[in-house]
Amino acid sequence: DIQMTQSPSSLSASVGDRVTITCRASQSISSFLNWYQHKPGKAPKLLIHVASRLQSGVPSRFSGSGSGTDFTLTISSLQPEDFATYSCQQSYTTPLTFGQGTKVEIK
Amino acid sequence: QVQLQESGPGLVKPSETLSLTCTVSGGSISSYYWSWIRQPPGKGLEWIGYIYYSGSTNYNPSLKSRVTMSVDTSKNQFSVELSSVTAADTAVYYCARLTYTGNYQLDFWGQGTLVTVSS
Repeated sequence: DIQMTQSPSSLSASVGDRVTITCRASQSISSFLNWYQHKPGKAPKLLIHVASRLQSGVPSRFSGSGSGTDFTLTISSLQPEDFATYSCQQSYTTPLTFGQGTKVEIK
Repeated sequence: QVQLQESGPGLVKPSETLSLTCTVSGGSISSYYWSWIRQPPGKGLEWIGYIYYSGSTNYNPSLKSRVTMSVDTSKNQFSVELSSVTAADTAVYYCARLTYTGNYQLDFWGQGTLVTVSS
């Protein structure tokens, strides 16, 4: 299985901050990388697919980059509704695998 | 807007079979892949597998011996059964639509349902 490792596992930030989350794959996955946002009791939400393509309806403050083994999710200006957990997922091969998640908390 | 809703028992006894159903509304179950994912307490997401609307399946090898998925296109539902459960199967279980456009992405999810394995 392809292992996905995210860092950090949690971070504290303030509204308006620029936030960067990284995801590393245990082998090259080209650009087959998706990012999700999830909150307790709510349906998880697809933010970014194929490493850098913004899902329809997702605010432009979210962006993704990377290829091969190293990927980044950036929130350019953190908003109150962005406090959540973010997970990366590789879609290069099955079994599909996820990172362990990064919890973004209010500072 | 496609919506998904998981349903099933919230408590299952050890060694028994966990059964969940996902009802899809706002769109047809046809022509898509449908997936189950779970998240044990304090851990990351784990992909359980997918089923195509035609019935073909792809399971995570780590669970393959215990998982069965099925689809009922007449009811716009798909289901998962996980046999011989233990406490390690306690998790929030999500259903999701898996769209393939050269890349597999889970573009619509249910809210999740907590299943606890305990006697």
